[in-house]
Amino acid sequence: EVQLVETGGGLVQPGKSLKLTCATSGFTFSNAWMHWVRQSPEKQLEWVAQIKAKSNNYATYYAESVKGRFTISRDDSKSSVYLQMNSLKEEDTAIYYCTWGVAYWGQGTLVTVSS
Amino acid sequence: DIQMTQSPSVLSASVGDRVTLNCKASQNINKYLNWYQQKLGEAPKLLIYNTNNLQTGIPSRFSGSGSGTDFTLTISSLQPEDFATYFCFQHNSWLTFGSGTKLEIK
Repeated sequence: EVQLVETGGGLVQPGKSLKLTCATSGFTFSNAWMHWVRQSPEKQLEWVAQIKAKSNNYATYYAESVKGRFTISRDDSKSSVYLQMNSLKEEDTAIYYCTWGVAYWGQGTLVTVSS
Repeated sequence: DIQMTQSPSVLSASVGDRVTLNCKASQNINKYLNWYQQKLGEAPKLLIYNTNNLQTGIPSRFSGSGSGTDFTLTISSLQPEDFATYFCFQHNSWLTFGSGTKLEIK
């Protein structure tokens, strides 16, 4: 069974940092292209970042809204993907989902950016 | 960026109805259009990928069609568990979601 479990969300002040972790199982993680997608309080879904597999040189891509502030990474030995979020803004408040190929999704972790 | 416009934003229907949800892309996305269902408090669930391919385990009352810029999701006979919000998503050029159609009970 495919499983993705996100952790690391919480309440953080504007300008601060937070790192999300997604632990996976049930599929060959090392071959998987992984994504982070977020959903705002208004329920709008927004793709955030992608990381490809080793065979694709771990290429990464970012939405313009987070480029330069967020970093996606992975550890194939732990079947995990990460999202390092720096210089957080109030508009980054959302539920953050980890997805495998935008087909299988975790349950999400809530990030709230507020003073 | 490619914009995805869904219509209607809210659709009221009854159990047993046949319903059609629409999604329009601001430019040609070929066949690279997915549909997701999201229920309150849950993650989105993939229903249809690449316009008309049914994801494993999804009932056959769901179907997708279209090409280029105009796409539809059809539910042939609504069941009580189908009342939810539906999102379209393009993966032809970068990745963009529509704003959703909420399917509610009439």
